[in-house]
Amino acid sequence: DTGVSQDPRHKITKRGQNVTFRCDPISEHNRLYWYRQTLGQGPEFLTYFQNEAQLEKSRLLSDRFSAERPKGSFSTLEIQRTEQGDSAMYLCASSSEQGHTEAFFGQGTRLTVV
Amino acid sequence: AQSVAQPEDQVNVAEGNPLTVKCTYSVSGNPYLFWYVQYPNRGLQFLLKYITGDNLVKGSYGFEAEFNKSQTSFHLKKPSALVSDSALYFCAVRDMGVNDYKLSFGAGTTVTVRA
Repeated sequence: DTGVSQDPRHKITKRGQNVTFRCDPISEHNRLYWYRQTLGQGPEFLTYFQNEAQLEKSRLLSDRFSAERPKGSFSTLEIQRTEQGDSAMYLCASSSEQGHTEAFFGQGTRLTVV
Repeated sequence: AQSVAQPEDQVNVAEGNPLTVKCTYSVSGNPYLFWYVQYPNRGLQFLLKYITGDNLVKGSYGFEAEFNKSQTSFHLKKPSALVSDSALYFCAVRDMGVNDYKLSFGAGTTVTVRA
């Protein structure tokens, strides 16, 4: 499968714990994005990487959130001291460098904070 | 700032009837426009896009969409809906300008096709 893959697919954690999600983009794609989707809403932009450089972070991404893309390949999204409001689907997407190309999305990681 | 509005939360049609899902957008420059579909507990699947040129674009699974610059709309259409088209549909926009990476989504429209 040469699509975008995310791991894990589901995560249940207790409030206050830290969680980390991984995204493996399509190998030739320079651009990588993280989105968050809550029930009944469209995906909301969280952050964007061009190769290994994180070029934009949404104000939705509080200090408890951090994302990395070492070596411009896979990416991780970490949430520290999780809160119940963090429960959502976290989607990763990748695309080539041209703005007109579509982004390909992974299956998402569904986080439930109890 | 860029944004997308999908004015209908739900669209219900009978199988075999035409299907239309509405979308309007706002960007400061010229838009790239996209439609995605999402099935339960799945990621988003790309359906079609408008970049430039012909205002009517064709995509996967028999879907098409019409770009209307004067009305800033990009409605999704299918001439004859199938039960299997029942899903959540998202319209999205990118500005062709400096921030051509950011994809902004509408809230989504749930399509139900009854047999």
